[in-house]
Amino acid sequence: GAVVSQHPSRVICKSGTSVKIECRSLDFQATTMFWYRQFPKQSLMLMATSNEGSKATYEQGVEKDKFLINHASLTLSTLTVTSAHPEDSSFYICSALRLAGGNQETQYFGPGTRLLVL
Amino acid sequence: GESVGLHLPTLSVQEGDNSIINCAYSNSASDYFIWYKQESGKGPQFIIDIRSNMDKRQGQRVTVLLNKTVKHLSLQIAATQPGDSAVYFCAEIRYGNKLVFGAGTILRVKS
Repeated sequence: GAVVSQHPSRVICKSGTSVKIECRSLDFQATTMFWYRQFPKQSLMLMATSNEGSKATYEQGVEKDKFLINHASLTLSTLTVTSAHPEDSSFYICSALRLAGGNQETQYFGPGTRLLVL
Repeated sequence: GESVGLHLPTLSVQEGDNSIINCAYSNSASDYFIWYKQESGKGPQFIIDIRSNMDKRQGQRVTVLLNKTVKHLSLQIAATQPGDSAVYFCAEIRYGNKLVFGAGTILRVKS
């Protein structure tokens, strides 16, 4: 099956610092990856669509200068939370889009990264 | 992004009983739906999907029902087991393969 990894699995940082989260598709290539944020006891909310070789597209209300996305290769997308503040503390989850047979596309999710900003 | 609900309802069932988890979706144009299971501290795990040209689909111990008239999905889990305890989300596929998740339901299985 398709495997997506995230690194780190959890990170604690000081307010004002930047944190980079990696999302990798381990056994398939993904031109499109997605980044989600999930606050405790809430649903997943799409932040942005990461496109290999082009700029990410952000959902309404998500600051592109605060959440920098780089999709440098067909197996890696990174999300950098810049100048993190306590309200950025959340569970960040990525998914990678895999094209299967018959033009079926399926999203495979990573295990998530827990960010705590002190 | 879109937000559907700010709290998670809880369904408690006895081990061995059947569970029914419900979900309402908003976009009548959506034609593909997925149920996910999310265990604590983990990413969502695909359970079953259904397209709008169907009203029922069965998997192993799970059945998804789709009622397009009232924009309602349900997930039925037969013979619920302790390992089924998790949060369950329905999601609809929008343009550009974007997933819009429902609010989620906590399933607690009592032994």
